[in-house]
Amino acid sequence: QKEVEQNSGPLSVPEGAIASLNCTYSDRGSQSFFWYRQYSGKSPELIMSIYSNGDKEDGRFTAQLNKASQYVSLLIRDSQPSDSATYLCAVNSDSGNTPLVFGKGTRLSVIA
Amino acid sequence: GAVVSQHPSRVICKSGTSVKIECRSLDFQATTMFWYRQFPKQSLMLMATSNEGSKATYEQGVEKDKFLINHASLTLSTLTVTSAHPEDSSFYICSARDIGTGTSPLHFGNGTRLTVT
Repeated sequence: QKEVEQNSGPLSVPEGAIASLNCTYSDRGSQSFFWYRQYSGKSPELIMSIYSNGDKEDGRFTAQLNKASQYVSLLIRDSQPSDSATYLCAVNSDSGNTPLVFGKGTRLSVIA
Repeated sequence: GAVVSQHPSRVICKSGTSVKIECRSLDFQATTMFWYRQFPKQSLMLMATSNEGSKATYEQGVEKDKFLINHASLTLSTLTVTSAHPEDSSFYICSARDIGTGTSPLHFGNGTRLTVT
């Protein structure tokens, strides 16, 4: 059973702080990793993709991947109240056309 | 970027009627689309994998005769909820991946909120 684990939260951070979201996955053969943001009542929106070990930065977002530890994280710098949402970690285990395996999501609350 | 269009965004129907939801990839082709359902405050649940030109693959516990999926072209998949009941009220979301590679991300439609009265 391929699994993706996330702390459900809520994770509360003050405005301007760094929010750190973590995710672990069970399938060591996983090849691609994604972070989605989902606002309440809306569908998920892709915010980051990462495929190789290390850090990948895009604006205020940094994704970190450590395949040896089977660990993916998302850092949000200068957190804003508009970042308050549920963040979903998703993993693709092979190169075929298979669905992503999603974690249950971490709810982030940025306090003004 | 890759855009997935889903219609309708919201539908209210009476118990016993059928509802069709359309999912289109606007600027890319997708041999496979995925249908998810999400109940309030719960996580995404994969319902089925829609395959262009062949039968859909349903997840365990999802009734294939109730949730009819048709994937007639590389840009269109439809989900029909037949004989809907109040317990089918949920948020239905389709997603697709560019035909190019399985390592690329899924792109989601905006979802359809179904309310069965």
